[in-house]
Amino acid sequence: EADIYQTPRYLVIGTGKKITLECSQTMGHDKMYWYQQDPGMELHLIHYSYGVNSTEKGDLSSESTVSRIRTEHFPLTLESARPSHTSQYLCASSEWGMVNVLTFGAGSRLTVL
Amino acid sequence: TQLLEQSPQFLSIQEGENLTVYCNSSSVFSSLQWYRQEPGEGPVLLVTVVTGGEVKKLKRLTFQFGDARKDSSLHITAAQPGDTGLYLCAGVVMDDMRFGAGTRLTVKP
Repeated sequence: EADIYQTPRYLVIGTGKKITLECSQTMGHDKMYWYQQDPGMELHLIHYSYGVNSTEKGDLSSESTVSRIRTEHFPLTLESARPSHTSQYLCASSEWGMVNVLTFGAGSRLTVL
Repeated sequence: TQLLEQSPQFLSIQEGENLTVYCNSSSVFSSLQWYRQEPGEGPVLLVTVVTGGEVKKLKRLTFQFGDARKDSSLHITAAQPGDTGLYLCAGVVMDDMRFGAGTRLTVKP
């Protein structure tokens, strides 16, 4: 039973299109994250948020942007998709605490042709 | 260079065999977590270890945190097909969490 939801699960689009990946959580977590996952590579943090109106870039440079207008919602937008953006995007959330325990969504697999 | 090196990268075994996978780093972590990710799903937390030398057991899975808090191992006894998945370790320093690339385990019936 998922408490964090990502849509779409799969998306195939052409180069130059604008896309938004949706992420919503029902746990009331303040912290939310977007990770990029590619085969054989470590998960890379691309954006994170500590609460409403807070957004930061992660350690992996990304051309995407995020917003956090509501606690439960953390969408990721690509203004002009390119084939290099093809990847699995994972959204996660966590509570404040000494140890970050992440709850992940099922992921959005993006393919840009 | 990855902060956390996981080995082996791939492991394919028969049901009933035992196995150990490793997560190594030159950095000291305040805690280390293990996640399992099944195909088409996001990673799910298995365990968090905090104290150097700590051993935690979760049914047939045994997790150990190195004494120096730089490495960890995951041992599975009598593996079952349901253990198939990508096992990820994640080290935490302050508020910074870094993941390894994972060990992809396949358990054949």
